[in-house]
Amino acid sequence: EAQVTQNPRYLITVTGKKLTVTCSQNMNHEYMSWYRQDPGLGLRQIYYSMNVEVTDKGDVPEGYKVSRKEKRNFPLILESPSPNQTSLYFCASSLYGGATEAFFGQGTRLTVV
Amino acid sequence: QKEVEQDPGPLSVPEGAIVSLNCTYSNSAFQYFMWYRQYSRKGPELLMYTYSSGNKEDGRFTAQVDKSSKYISLFIRDSQPSDSATYLCAMSGGNNRLAFGKGNQVVVIP
Repeated sequence: EAQVTQNPRYLITVTGKKLTVTCSQNMNHEYMSWYRQDPGLGLRQIYYSMNVEVTDKGDVPEGYKVSRKEKRNFPLILESPSPNQTSLYFCASSLYGGATEAFFGQGTRLTVV
Repeated sequence: QKEVEQDPGPLSVPEGAIVSLNCTYSNSAFQYFMWYRQYSRKGPELLMYTYSSGNKEDGRFTAQVDKSSKYISLFIRDSQPSDSATYLCAMSGGNNRLAFGKGNQVVVIP
């Protein structure tokens, strides 16, 4: 089954404690991206990757890092989380990027206290 | 002016009614237009995809694009309780960006 898998689904952490949210896709897609979804603001792109070792900033990259060492994996790293990063995070993958269908993961609800 | 405007107000309709949703955009480079459906506690899933002006039908769903007015719409005919979800418009200029509207929460009342 084609899918994008995120882990964990729920996470509560404290300010400043580094964390990583993993994302894996099994569709051999080149393009992967991370979004955050906040009430009243919708989905906003954090980072995207066009292929292995190729990443770029989206609309709201501050406070986040990503890496793409393998085609299937695209982890999101918060080096020093802050309360304003409390949000619902989605990973997505697509064959070629914004012009093609994006498959989304189930989401990770992160709370930073 | 935001790139994509979607009035996020919730919409409640009786079962069987037509649901009408729309988005406007300001970026003339947008060529690809999508509607995603998002159920509670789930990730968005693609519902409709089009890249030309005009109408595209898929079962009870019709996507409409008017590039001259920078306006897109989604119509759901014979709405069902299972259509209750948040609907997000999304647009792309063919590059790596996908710009989303804020989403409309739709509730279909049996």
